[in-house]
Amino acid sequence: QKEVEQNSGPLSVPEGAIASLNCTYSDRGSQSFFWYRQYSGKSPELIMFIYSNGDKEDGRFTAQLNKASQYVSLLIRDSQPSDSATYLCAVSNTGTASKLTFGTGTRLQVTL
Amino acid sequence: GAVVSQHPSRVICKSGTSVKIECRSLDFQATTMFWYRQFPKQSLMLMATSNEGSKATYEQGVEKDKFLINHASLTLSTLTVTSAHPEDSSFYICSARRSGGSGEQYFGPGTRLTVT
Repeated sequence: QKEVEQNSGPLSVPEGAIASLNCTYSDRGSQSFFWYRQYSGKSPELIMFIYSNGDKEDGRFTAQLNKASQYVSLLIRDSQPSDSATYLCAVSNTGTASKLTFGTGTRLQVTL
Repeated sequence: GAVVSQHPSRVICKSGTSVKIECRSLDFQATTMFWYRQFPKQSLMLMATSNEGSKATYEQGVEKDKFLINHASLTLSTLTVTSAHPEDSSFYICSARRSGGSGEQYFGPGTRLTVT
C-alpha cells in the first residue's frame, strides 16, 4: 500500500466549476498536510497546508482534513484554465525529520 | 516571502565531469534543506536531507559519494554531482524548510541537468 495515494487523473472540469482533489494517507501519525501545484517542467509551488481537522480556506482554495478517515482534500472554486496543473498532496510526520511524503499527483485540466 | 533560488537553472556537462548546484533561501532561514530529483512524468524522489552544520542524511539507494551535499549556512546548501553520467540527467530540485514554521517546504525553481 502506498503511503500517500492520489488518483492520477486527468480530472477534467469546465471553467468556473469546482474542482475536488482527494488524497488518502496510511500513517496515522501524520500531523501536517500540504498541497502543492506543479506546472509541467516547473518545480512545485506550495498552495496550502493544514494540520487540524476541518476546513481551511484561502481565496479560491479550501483544504479539508479528516484524520479519522485519513483523508485530505483540496477544493478549487471558480476553476480557471490557469489552474490546469498537477496537484501534489504531501504528508509530514514530525518523527521523520520533517520529511514530506508525496503522492504521485493528480493532473487537473480546466476546459473552456 | 519564502523565496528559494537555485543556480544554475540549466546545465549541460560532459560525462565524467562534476557539477555543483546551489540552493539559497532568500528571505528566511532554513535549518533544513532537501534535495529531490524528478524524471519526466514521475513524482518527486527525495535524495537527501541537509541540515546546517552537519552531515546530510541520504535516502536508501542514493550514493553519498556521488551526490555531495554541503549545508554551510542557514541560507545555502549545495549539491555536487560528481563524475556525472548520462543516467544522472534529470531535474534536480531543492526545497527549504522555514525554521520555526509548520513543516512546510518551499521549492527552488529546479536545475535541469543534461550529461552528454
